[in-house]
Amino acid sequence: DTGVSQNPRHKITKRGQNVTFRCDPISEHNRLYWYRQTLGQGPEFLTYFQNEAQLEKSRLLSDRFSAERPKGSFSTLEIQRTEQGDSAMYLCASSFGGRLTGELFFGEGSRLTVL
Amino acid sequence: AQTVTQSQPEMSVQEAETVTLSCTYDTSESDYYLFWYKQPPSRQMILVIRQEAYKQQNATENRFSVNFQKAAKSFSLKISDSQLGDAAMYFCAYKDNDMRFGAGTRLTVKP
Repeated sequence: DTGVSQNPRHKITKRGQNVTFRCDPISEHNRLYWYRQTLGQGPEFLTYFQNEAQLEKSRLLSDRFSAERPKGSFSTLEIQRTEQGDSAMYLCASSFGGRLTGELFFGEGSRLTVL
Repeated sequence: AQTVTQSQPEMSVQEAETVTLSCTYDTSESDYYLFWYKQPPSRQMILVIRQEAYKQQNATENRFSVNFQKAAKSFSLKISDSQLGDAAMYFCAYKDNDMRFGAGTRLTVKP
């Protein structure tokens, strides 16, 4: 069990560019979550998947954000036309089970800096 | 939507002493989970303790225990015999379908 893996760990980009983050969950976990965390704040929910189905999206997830989880394995989070306000740590977490089961296991995060 | 409130942005405790971190939440659900997560500086979130809402008994994990008051929608974390390694951000979290976090409490442990 290698834990939740996120890549890249750090990304610096210019405003207006597109960026993509990847998350590899713990292999047997069927649920995968994306959060955004700014400095000194708690993680804000973005979206989650059960297997390959995206079951919920936060209103924080504007149309510039898209997440996919093809084949129910790894997931990608793409941000198009980045803005300075997108600078944050993007956290991925996974869990096993259904609605009322499972703690979330977190990755180390992908830090985005938009210049 | 469910909300989680941590009213203490910062707390400080002397090494070996006891500290309690507060958390309240709002939900209309009867079945859910509550968690406390720890996030050391520049490190990943790790689970400290969890509580199932249907269980009346308060969860305990070594030096960490909770006071779960379902009717009051309160879920506090008590850290006994505080150690320097306990210094971190602590987040209270509520989970039914997804997990929602409070804003966190920064705990400082003084030697």
